[in-house]
Amino acid sequence: QVRLQESGPGLVKPSETLSLTCTVSGGSINGHYWSWIRQPPGKGLEWLGYIYYSGTTNYNPSLKSRVSISIVTSKSQFSLKLNSVTAADTAVYYCARDNCRGGSCHFDDWGQGALVTVSS
Amino acid sequence: QSVLTQPPSVSGAPGQRVTISCTGSRSNIGAGFDVHWYQQIPGTAPKLLIFGNSNRPSGVPDRFSGSKSGTAASLAITGLQAEDEADYYCQSFDTGLSGYVFGTGTTVTVL
Repeated sequence: QVRLQESGPGLVKPSETLSLTCTVSGGSINGHYWSWIRQPPGKGLEWLGYIYYSGTTNYNPSLKSRVSISIVTSKSQFSLKLNSVTAADTAVYYCARDNCRGGSCHFDDWGQGALVTVSS
Repeated sequence: QSVLTQPPSVSGAPGQRVTISCTGSRSNIGAGFDVHWYQQIPGTAPKLLIFGNSNRPSGVPDRFSGSKSGTAASLAITGLQAEDEADYYCQSFDTGLSGYVFGTGTTVTVL
């Protein structure tokens, strides 16, 4: 079981870019898919996108034009950028490890979550 | 934009059995993609409860079981305990969205 830890600013101004980093420890970042998932206050979970350790990405179509995920394997870190944020992007942001078997993937390890508030 | 529908809430007395449904469509569950379940205690990160429709990770009590049929899946909790009070989410893959999708979430209350 790996440990994941989100880090980044907890407050972002409207129209600016939200940036978060997830640091992986206790296991290798190589050979796995890594996802970002968010949860607005009092609401459900929304998958934002994933990145493979090789750099291949896939994003939620509803956010595709605003979201970007990158990875630095040498630092065991992957990062999320969400631009042009609004109050609707206020949420707890989780990073997670994808466990994929036969084309089916689930999230078996999660970070503790980072609350990001969009406000001026 | 959840494409997997769950009942908002279910409740039961200690010791009873409750089930949570997860209804999808031919582009996700009905297309053959596995369903996974997560438990979320308020204020904490979700925890994997069931993977691959019916498999329990190490450490998850056998009171929790999952099944899938057609375009739907379900999670059953038998011998309900106070510690089972939490939010539960199903998750799968959707070909139309080409990505992962979560259910709308269900709050379990132990009476």
